[in-house]
Amino acid sequence: DVKVTQSSRYLVKRTGEKVFLECVQDMDHENMFWYRQDPGLGLRLIYFSYDVKMKEKGDIPEGYSVSREKKERFSLILESASTNQTSMYLCASSLWFEEKLFFGSGTQLSVL
Amino acid sequence: GENVEQHPSTLSVQEGDSAVIKCTYSDSASNYFPWYKQELGKRPQLIIDIRSNVGEKKDQRIAVTLNKTAKHFSLHITETQPEDSAVYFCAATPSGNTPLVFGKGTRLSVIA
Repeated sequence: DVKVTQSSRYLVKRTGEKVFLECVQDMDHENMFWYRQDPGLGLRLIYFSYDVKMKEKGDIPEGYSVSREKKERFSLILESASTNQTSMYLCASSLWFEEKLFFGSGTQLSVL
Repeated sequence: GENVEQHPSTLSVQEGDSAVIKCTYSDSASNYFPWYKQELGKRPQLIIDIRSNVGEKKDQRIAVTLNKTAKHFSLHITETQPEDSAVYFCAATPSGNTPLVFGKGTRLSVIA
């Protein structure tokens, strides 16, 4: 079965810090995604990538950037963390857009 | 762009009763409609999906119906059990190579 692994389950950072969230998938999927999950707001797309070095903005890209240097790895970067970026971050991958999404277990980020 | 509305936001049913969650979408060219289940503290997982050339699909106690004319689709769970308690997300794929757009989720509670 496909495995999507996020490097940290919980992270606590200070305001202004640079934060890296890492995601690795093991099934050679073309597409990778970063979502943010907040109560009552559902799953909101931050960025996605459909190929190595390719990236596209999602619905809420402000304050975030991404990197995809290798097909299996998709990183989310918070250049200068702020308290309103405290949230659950979910990485996902899929073979194509109209195929099953495989999610990682999530990273709960707290920015103090 | 695509907009997916999901109702209700919370739903409580007695064990053994049926549960219905409804979603509407705005892009008439959308043709892939998955449903994800997220149990407390776990990652979202695909439970059923339907494509636009099919009006209904069943998998044991779960069924999804699609009305393309009205641009809505629904999840039906029969004979609900406590383990069905979770947050359910509907989604739709807009036209072209674009990611899923999710509804805001429905928290289903099955009361024993």
